[in-house]
Parts: sequence; structure tokens; C-alpha cells
Amino acid sequence: GAGVSQSPSNKVTEKGKDVELRCDPISGHTALYWYRQSLGQGLEFLIYFQGNSAPDKSGLPSDRFSAERTGGSVSTLTIQRTQQEDSAVYLCASSLGGTSVYEQYFGPGTRLTVT
Amino acid sequence: AQSVTQLDSQVPVFEEAPVELRCNYSSSVSVYLFWYVQYPNQGLQLLLKYLSGSTLVESINGFEAEFNKSQTSFHLRKPSVHISDTAEYFCAVSASAGGRGSTLGRLYFGRGTQLTVWP
Repeated sequence: GAGVSQSPSNKVTEKGKDVELRCDPISGHTALYWYRQSLGQGLEFLIYFQGNSAPDKSGLPSDRFSAERTGGSVSTLTIQRTQQEDSAVYLCASSLGGTSVYEQYFGPGTRLTVT
Repeated sequence: AQSVTQLDSQVPVFEEAPVELRCNYSSSVSVYLFWYVQYPNQGLQLLLKYLSGSTLVESINGFEAEFNKSQTSFHLRKPSVHISDTAEYFCAVSASAGGRGSTLGRLYFGRGTQLTVWP
């Protein structure tokens, strides 16, 4: 079946602009994670959604970052007033939730370049 | 919180040689352990995992890893590598239970080890 998809695959934006990154999880997966992969910081957790529960936003690096998940499916990560240090690959992962929450399936990522 | 250390950022080996990629972790709670692989220009793929039971876990392509609780390690090994194994390998841990201060399933990754297999 279809895996996790992310769009766009690449995004180049000017410093100060807002960007939206989209994640379509695997159908039926209730848990959704956003991670960021950058040269300086490796792979970092950003935010976690589980069903209808309040998301865990503890990994968001600043208040310029926000995310939402509509209808328990598609998620959008928004970065406002982008900075050069936001340049990274943003990865989305989903899992079944419950006892299978640990088996996370990753999307191909969105490569964000802030110029 | 948990943390992961992958001591080797680069491991070059010749084809058909054995390889070991090292992973050590730190945690005050019980953990689950994972190895992910990232081939060039591709996303992360789960290679193998330890959740419970036998401490030796195997993947379908010949890799194995052993959970050693006393040494807090989860090293990845393969007795004979192929050129197609060239990729970046990430070790990751998550707490085995959610709760206060812990996100269920949240993965803590090591910095990765680039395995390059030469002919």
C-alpha cells in the first residue's frame, strides 16, 4: 500500500517568508510525528500527534513553528518568518498507535532551503 | 530523557568484509531500540528493532544487532557486506512507556554512521 507522502519534496524560500510543509500519513495510522534532519543537529523530534489528544509540541524549536493535523489524517507544519537556520530536511512519520506506536514509517522528507 | 551515541561517523569497508556499527544509549527508564537505514536520496527505513524477548534481532538482509543492557549498547553487525549496503545508519531509542515527561514512541536518534562499501 501507499506509504507516508510529503510535499513539496523541495522548497526554496527567502528569509522572512512563511512556508507550509504537508504530510499524508499511511491510512489508518493514528500517530504522526515530525522530525527535522540537519547537518549540525542530526535528527530532532519536533511534534507528535496521537488521535484526538492534544499534540506534544515539546520539540518545536521556537514559536515560529506550528503544526496541525486535520481530521486525524493530513498534517501541516508551518514555519513563519523563516531563518537560514531553518534549512533542513523535514521528515514526517506515522504509526498505528496503541502498542504499535513504536513502528514508525517515514516519508521521503521535504528539503527546505532558506536563502 | 534518552540519548544515543554513535561513535563512528564514517565506516569504510571492502565488499565481503564484516562490519560493526556501534551504538550506545543512555536512559533512566526501559527502552526500545531501533536501527534505521537511509539510502542516498531516500527516506529512513526501519532495519530492525528490539522491543522485548530475545536480545539478538535480525533483519531480512543479513544485519543483526544485540541488545546488551549491562553495557547499554545495541551494536549493528553484518558478517559480509555488499556494495548495496552503502548508506547512512541511524541508531534510535524510545522510552518503553509514555507518561510524564516522555512522549510515547518519540525517537531519540544518534548522529548516524555513514557506511561505505568499496569493491
